[in-house]
Amino acid sequence: DTGVSQNPRHKITKRGQNVTFRCDPISEHNRLYWYRQTLGQGPEFLTYFQNEAQLEKSRLLSDRFSAERPKGSFSTLEIQRTEQGDSAMYLCASSLVYLGRGSGANVLTFGAGSRLTVL
Amino acid sequence: QQQVKQSPQSLIVQKGGISIINCAYENTAFDYFPWYQQFPGKGPALLIAIRPDVSEKKEGRFTISFNKSAKQFSLHIMDSQPGDSATYFCAASLTGGGNKLTFGTGTQLKVEL
Repeated sequence: DTGVSQNPRHKITKRGQNVTFRCDPISEHNRLYWYRQTLGQGPEFLTYFQNEAQLEKSRLLSDRFSAERPKGSFSTLEIQRTEQGDSAMYLCASSLVYLGRGSGANVLTFGAGSRLTVL
Repeated sequence: QQQVKQSPQSLIVQKGGISIINCAYENTAFDYFPWYQQFPGKGPALLIAIRPDVSEKKEGRFTISFNKSAKQFSLHIMDSQPGDSATYFCAASLTGGGNKLTFGTGTQLKVEL
């Protein structure tokens, strides 16, 4: 198990271009989260999946953002028509949640992130 | 809307000293309070976590103190070491809300020799 893997690690793009980030979670994990982190701030929740179902999207996730987890394994986060304000670190995290049980610790394991710079 | 407030923004501690980072939350429904440690170029990594049914949890040199009535919790790092120099984030989550974490703004800790 190599942990949560994110690619690419760095992406520089021009305003208006589309970018896509990929996240490969820990293999047995059924939940996958996307967060955005700007300089000097804590990560902010964007969206999360339970297997292949996208269960919640933050208001931070504008129509230009779309996330998928087609087979309940890896996930992609696409940003269309990028803006300079999209420049940030995009973090993916995964966890294993036992459905139907009482509240247990949902330990999120984060990847190293994909840093986006929009020129 | 900042639901978890963290202070201080930065902290310098001498080697062997105690580092203390404080957080306050607003949502009384939060039921899980982890602390994450982040090194430059890395993602946050879970350090220690607590649930509101206990007032303190200790793991090695790291202790969380939790005050439910004041809606505050803090991280104490005993015998701070240069290798502890990192950014620390408190967070809170609600089990019934997808366990998504709401993070504080972070504290940059530097431990000097």
